[in-house]
Amino acid sequence: KQEVTQIPAALSVPEGENLVLNCSFTDSAIYNLQWFRQDPGKGLTSLLLIQSSQREQTSGRLNASLDKSSGRSTLYIAASQPGDSATYLCAAQPGGYQKVTFGTGTKLQVIP
Amino acid sequence: DTAVSQTPKYLVTQMGNDKSIKCEQNLGHDTMYWYKQDSKKFLKIMFSYNNKELIINETVPNRFSPKSPDKAHLNLHINSLELGDSAVYFCASTPGGSYTDTQYFGPGTRLTVL
Repeated sequence: KQEVTQIPAALSVPEGENLVLNCSFTDSAIYNLQWFRQDPGKGLTSLLLIQSSQREQTSGRLNASLDKSSGRSTLYIAASQPGDSATYLCAAQPGGYQKVTFGTGTKLQVIP
Repeated sequence: DTAVSQTPKYLVTQMGNDKSIKCEQNLGHDTMYWYKQDSKKFLKIMFSYNNKELIINETVPNRFSPKSPDKAHLNLHINSLELGDSAVYFCASTPGGSYTDTQYFGPGTRLTVL
């Protein structure tokens, strides 16, 4: 059974700081790993999706890496802004129609 | 221009009632999902439909019955609501027929059972 853990559960940083969010999964047989952002009272917005054959993906100030062998993914946010404040979730996705497993999220607060 | 929409946004009801939540996607996606997010913010898959066919049915009570009239709609009907059903329910869709695609989520429906 896949288990996905995100540490820390909450993080508070001053504006402008670079930061790393961590995601660990127990079953390395994943097809891809997806990072989402959830704003309070809102749905999830997909940020980055890394296929199992890739090691990283970049979008603007975001960079996500994937190390299947160690069961880890990280989301790097450069030059954080108050608008980055949200809960960040990772989701490990096996292939086909098997169920996706979400982590419990990291709540990020960027202080102006 | 809403991609995945859900109605209602909020739903407050008494225990024992029957209620429905509707989901529509205008992305032309083949697969739709229902997720439940509990008070601890943990997201769990409930159902998955591909082209109106049930693909995944996690261990949810049979009081929950999804219905897909066409591939753009996936509604969730809940009978005999219980206190533990209180949660935020999210609908999502993917272009292809599996979890391997990027998932697009609706805004969620906050269900409160009194």
